[in-house]
Amino acid sequence: DQQVKQNSPSLSVQEGRISILNCDYTNSMFDYFLWYKKYPAEGPTFLISISSIKDKNEDGRFTVFLNKSAKHLSLHIVPSQPGDSAVYFCAAKTQGGSEKLVFGKGTKLTVNP
Amino acid sequence: DAGVIQSPRHEVTEMGQEVTLRCKPISGHDYLFWYRQTMMRGLELLIYFNNNVPIDDSGMPEDRFSAKMPNASFSTLKIQPSEPRDSAVYFCASTTKPYGEQYFGPGTRLTVT
Repeated sequence: DQQVKQNSPSLSVQEGRISILNCDYTNSMFDYFLWYKKYPAEGPTFLISISSIKDKNEDGRFTVFLNKSAKHLSLHIVPSQPGDSAVYFCAAKTQGGSEKLVFGKGTKLTVNP
Repeated sequence: DAGVIQSPRHEVTEMGQEVTLRCKPISGHDYLFWYRQTMMRGLELLIYFNNNVPIDDSGMPEDRFSAKMPNASFSTLKIQPSEPRDSAVYFCASTTKPYGEQYFGPGTRLTVT
C-alpha cells in the first residue's frame, strides 16, 4: 500500500527550463509535505516543505504547490541547472501521533547543459 | 557541525553473521530515525527514537532486527542473523523538533552474500 506515489521514475530537462516533479498521496490525514534531494552516495537533504494550510511555498528557484482536493503536490525548479541533477523524494506526515515520514520512491532528474 | 555520522560506510558480510550499524546524530537533536532504502520498497522508516526512547518500531521487518540508543549521541541497528534480502542502504537521520526537516547521514551500504 503505497501512500505516497511518484509516478515518474525519471525526468530530463534542458538547462534553463522549468523542471516539474509530481507527487500524489492517498492518505487524507497527511498534513505536512517535504521534498528531499539525493545525490549518489550521499544521504537525502531537505529541500523545501509545505503545510496543508498553504497551497504554495517558495524558496528561491524552488516552489512547491499543494492541491489538497486532488491529493497532489508538485515541485517546480526554475531555472533548472545541471547541479540540480539528482533524485528527488516527496515525503508526507500526519499531525500528532507518530513522527514517521512516508516517502515516495523518487524521481531522477537530469538537467542537460 | 559534522552532521550525522554513520559507520561503517560499506559492510559486506556472509549470511548468518551479525551486523551492527552505528549512528551519531547531530548534537542537540532529540529525534533519531533509522531508514532502509531498497529498489523495491524505496526509503522506509524502520524505527525512531525521541530522547533515547523508541517511539515507533512498526517498520522493523522482523525479530532479527534490533535498535538501541544508549545515550543522546549514539545509536545502533543490529541484524542477527543477517540474510541476503537485508542487502540495502541504511540511513540514520536526526532532527530537533516535530515537523522539522530530518538531517540524514551518508548511509551504510550493506551487502549480505
